[in-house]
Amino acid sequence: SQTIHQWPATLVQPVGSPLSLECTVEGTSNPNLYWYRQAAGRGLQLLFYSVGIGQISSEVPQNLSASRPQDRQFILSSKKLLLSDSGFYLCAWSAAVRAAYTGELFFGEGSRLTVL
Amino acid sequence: AQSVTQLGSHVSVSEGALVLLRCNYSSSVPPYLFWYVQYPNQGLQLLLKYTSAATLVKGINGFEAEFKKSETSFHLTKPSAHMSDAAEYFCAGLGSQGNLIFGKGTKLSVKP
Repeated sequence: SQTIHQWPATLVQPVGSPLSLECTVEGTSNPNLYWYRQAAGRGLQLLFYSVGIGQISSEVPQNLSASRPQDRQFILSSKKLLLSDSGFYLCAWSAAVRAAYTGELFFGEGSRLTVL
Repeated sequence: AQSVTQLGSHVSVSEGALVLLRCNYSSSVPPYLFWYVQYPNQGLQLLLKYTSAATLVKGINGFEAEFKKSETSFHLTKPSAHMSDAAEYFCAGLGSQGNLIFGKGTKLSVKP
């Protein structure tokens, strides 16, 4: 069966410090991978998605970047955090687009980032 | 779906009462629609999905949703609320770009 893990679960960082959140998927190959952010009262915001190694699409210009160094690994990074980067970050995967693709997403446990 | 609208950011019901969370989508062919639940500080968990089969879809924890094309709706219901149903619920639909489009979420509170 497929599983998705992200870490760390909780992170408190000072403004201006770097960030690295990691996400890995097991039990599937060539998944689509996603990073979402939830800020208080603002629903789910899609930040990045990837359809393959080294292929990253950014939905919102911001202080963050994403990388996919391996097929089942997705990393969210920042060189210098801002206060506005605080939020709950969710990694997700979906099956590759084929016949009968529905777009169903499978989410990780989430990472709570607080920038002080 | 090109857009998904959830009516009501907060819904409060008494324990044992009917739960009704509303979701409307903009039309697309074919519509693939989902309801997810999120408990505090956790990821989203799939409750149920509509993928062009039966219009009444049953999910986990006693929830169900009915796809009504004429009303472009996919409302989530549960006959009798339980305290453990308190969570945030998200409706989502497949967009034209191949990504899921989410509603803004509805927080369900259950009063004893």
